[in-house]
Amino acid sequence: DAKTTQPDSMESTEGETVHLPCSHATISGNEYIYWYRQVPLQGPEYVTHGLQQNTTNSMAFLAIASDRKSSTLILPHVSLRDAAVYHCILRVASSGGSNYKLTFGKGTLLTVTP
Amino acid sequence: GPKVLQIPSHQIIDMGQMVTLNCDPVSNHLYFYWYKQILGQQMEFLVNFYNGKVMEKSKLFKDQFSVERPDGSYFTLKIQPTALEDSAVYFCASRGNTGQLYFGEGSKLTVL
Repeated sequence: DAKTTQPDSMESTEGETVHLPCSHATISGNEYIYWYRQVPLQGPEYVTHGLQQNTTNSMAFLAIASDRKSSTLILPHVSLRDAAVYHCILRVASSGGSNYKLTFGKGTLLTVTP
Repeated sequence: GPKVLQIPSHQIIDMGQMVTLNCDPVSNHLYFYWYKQILGQQMEFLVNFYNGKVMEKSKLFKDQFSVERPDGSYFTLKIQPTALEDSAVYFCASRGNTGQLYFGEGSKLTVL
């Protein structure tokens, strides 16, 4: 599976804009970059994904480097509810055409203080 | 947003017994997954399932594990017999054609 590298942890304060980096130097041309987050004792929650262009939704902005070897998840004006483990995952195609799985790593633990 | 429901939320059983974890996926989704997470550790892929068949399974998906979705009802994970190392939280996920996986809240299994 193609690998990603993320910092183990980051700290922030409520109201700040947080930049969560992810390195994926060996990404293949047809691999999507997915971001999920997980709060303790809950299932992972989809945040966003992208292929080549930057993307934005109500939760976050995803900035993808022009060579696609890194990306940054930008969380504007974080609140206490944004504290979670954030996972940067490359979508790997399994055998069988459109079938695939997501492989989770340790992610980045984001702590938010009041 | 779309919800994946998991039943039970917590189950305690004795080693050697059988357990079935149930997952009610998002309506119209066709791809189903089970993941395993031991407390404090990362999520581990177990298996994915489509059109009545296991598409891919990991080394963690032991011979004692099985999955099925009879007649469009619950997508189930059965462990028979259970072992102490099966204690974990099991997450179900489903996916439609958009590529995005939706996860349930997990079923915590404690094997004594």
